[in-house]
Amino acid sequence: GAVVSQHPSWVICKSGTSVKIECRSLDFQATTMFWYRQFPKQSLMLMATSNEGSKATYEQGVEKDKFLINHASLTLSTLTVTSAHPEDSSFYICSAISSYEQYFGPGTRLTVT
Amino acid sequence: QKEVEQNSGPLSVPEGAIASLNCTYSDRGSQSFFWYRQYSGKSPELIMFIYSNGDKEDGRFTAQLNKASQYVSLLIRDSQPSDSATYLCAVNLGRGADGLTFGKGTHLIIQP
Repeated sequence: GAVVSQHPSWVICKSGTSVKIECRSLDFQATTMFWYRQFPKQSLMLMATSNEGSKATYEQGVEKDKFLINHASLTLSTLTVTSAHPEDSSFYICSAISSYEQYFGPGTRLTVT
Repeated sequence: QKEVEQNSGPLSVPEGAIASLNCTYSDRGSQSFFWYRQYSGKSPELIMFIYSNGDKEDGRFTAQLNKASQYVSLLIRDSQPSDSATYLCAVNLGRGADGLTFGKGTHLIIQP
């Protein structure tokens, strides 16, 4: 099956700083990628849809100025959490579509201190 | 608002028995239905997807869909301890590239 990678797998940052998370499709091209967030003991919540060459589409309640998404190529989407706060600590997971199936990356655990 | 409901469990099943996981969804426009398995601290991995009413079998797994009742289930036959995980039901409207709406998941425990 298709492989999606994320980097870093975990990151710790101080409150007020920004963190960038990369999502790559390794063996296929993805015009669309998705970013999800999962808090402990909660389900995955779709944050935004990332489209190559155009602006991302954010779900209701997700601040687009805080969670910057850039889909610069057919194999790379980045999520930047700006001015991170402790409440942004979560498990961030990206996914990409290949042959109508969604494949998930391994996730990035963000801890904001 | 799209909602996907699952019993959070835990659901405890003896090894070798059939585990039955259930899911209901609110949006009648939903077209595609997925079951994912998630181990603690890991991202979800796809087990099965189903688009049409009825049953779909893949090895020890059977997905069942009833669009009239807005109900989808997953049966795991000959349950193994390695099947112990959280099982997430997910749906989307099937309009090209849509993100998935997930349920909160059912925590399944297979007792040796």
